[in-house]
Parts: sequence; C-alpha cells; structure tokens
Amino acid sequence: EIVMTQSPATLSVSPGERATLSCRASQRVSSNLAWYQQKPGQAPRLLIYGASTRATAVPARFSGSGSGAEFTLTISSLQSEDFAVYYCQQYNNWPPLYTFGQGTKLEIK
Amino acid sequence: EVQLVESGGGLVQPGGSLRLSCAASRFTFSSYEMNWVRQAPGKGLEWVSYISSSGNTIYYADSVKGRFTISRDNARNSLYLQMNSLRAEDTAIYYCARDSSGPLAYWGQGTLVTVSS
Repeated sequence: EIVMTQSPATLSVSPGERATLSCRASQRVSSNLAWYQQKPGQAPRLLIYGASTRATAVPARFSGSGSGAEFTLTISSLQSEDFAVYYCQQYNNWPPLYTFGQGTKLEIK
Repeated sequence: EVQLVESGGGLVQPGGSLRLSCAASRFTFSSYEMNWVRQAPGKGLEWVSYISSSGNTIYYADSVKGRFTISRDNARNSLYLQMNSLRAEDTAIYYCARDSSGPLAYWGQGTLVTVSS
C-alpha cells in the first residue's frame, strides 16, 4: 500500500497571505496525484489532478506542483472561503487501491 | 450538472447488515467507474471500493474485504454497497464518487452509517 503523508497537520495563515501544503508518497506515483478541499458538512471537492491541472471552476490562486513522491499545493492569496481541510490522493497503482493523506487543516491566523 | 445521491444509511447493531445505494443522474452512468469512500467522524478520507464501468472489475480496501460487496445496475443508474458483519469501526459517512481514471471529480452528499448497540 502506498502511504500518503501530509504536512503540516494544521496551518495557520492570515487572509491575503500565501499557503503552502505538502504531500509525500511512500513510493513514487509519477504525477498521479490529486488534491481535494473539504469544508465542514460538505463532500470533498476536487481541486487539482495530474499533480498540477486545476479542475473545472477552480480559481487560479490554487496551484499544484511536484512529481514522483513530493507534491505541493499552493494557495497564492488566501480568501475567507479557502479555510478548510485539504487532502491529497494518489491514484498511481493498479489495481486502483487509492490512498489519501490524513489531511491538512488550513485555519485563519 | 452531475448528481449523485446516496441513501440507505442508519443505525445498525454490530454484526448487522446494511445496503447503501447511490442514484446517479445527468451523466452516462454506464460509461464511468465508480467508488465508495468513507469518512469516520472527525477523521480523514478512506477509500473503500472500486467498480469498473461494466461491473466486471472490483477491488476493496483490506479493511472491508470479505464483508462488503460493491455492485451496480447500469439500467437503473445505480451503485450499491452491501455491508455485512458490521463493526463499530465501520461507523462513517459513506460517499459515492465518480472516477475519472483516478481523480474523483464528483461526489454525493454522503450517507451516515452508525454501528452501535
């Protein structure tokens, strides 16, 4: 099983500032990495796939980078609606035994 | 807009069974792989099971293998999860999610399963 490790567990950032979230895979997953945003009481929302491609209707302030085993989600200028929990997910292996990171909670500083 | 609506959750005793359903609409259901993902209260996301578009290929997380069965009815645009021998640790919100060769682009709102005596 590929283990996904996210850091930090909690990130405190002020509105308007930049946030950088990390995700590490226990083995290389190429660019088969997605990021999701989840707000309280809501289902997850796909933000990024293929490590760096924004999903439909995702604002340009969200960007993803990395390949292999190290990935980053950057939010360039935090808006109030961006404070949420973020998960990474790998989908590299076959059979599709998908695994998620444990999440990073982005909170208002 | 793609719509996925789960149902069938509820309170069940340990060792009991429950069948979840996911009704799909506004897309060609038979063309897409589907998954179940769960989230225990206050915890992160855990992938549970995958089914191919035809239903011929199925995979499970080790934590549910042998107890849960995923299936689909393409004529009814529906996805199912039969859950047997339920344990307290199966307590979670269960989401169905449409697969796009890995990324899960669409999710339902989830249905809560509580396993407790």
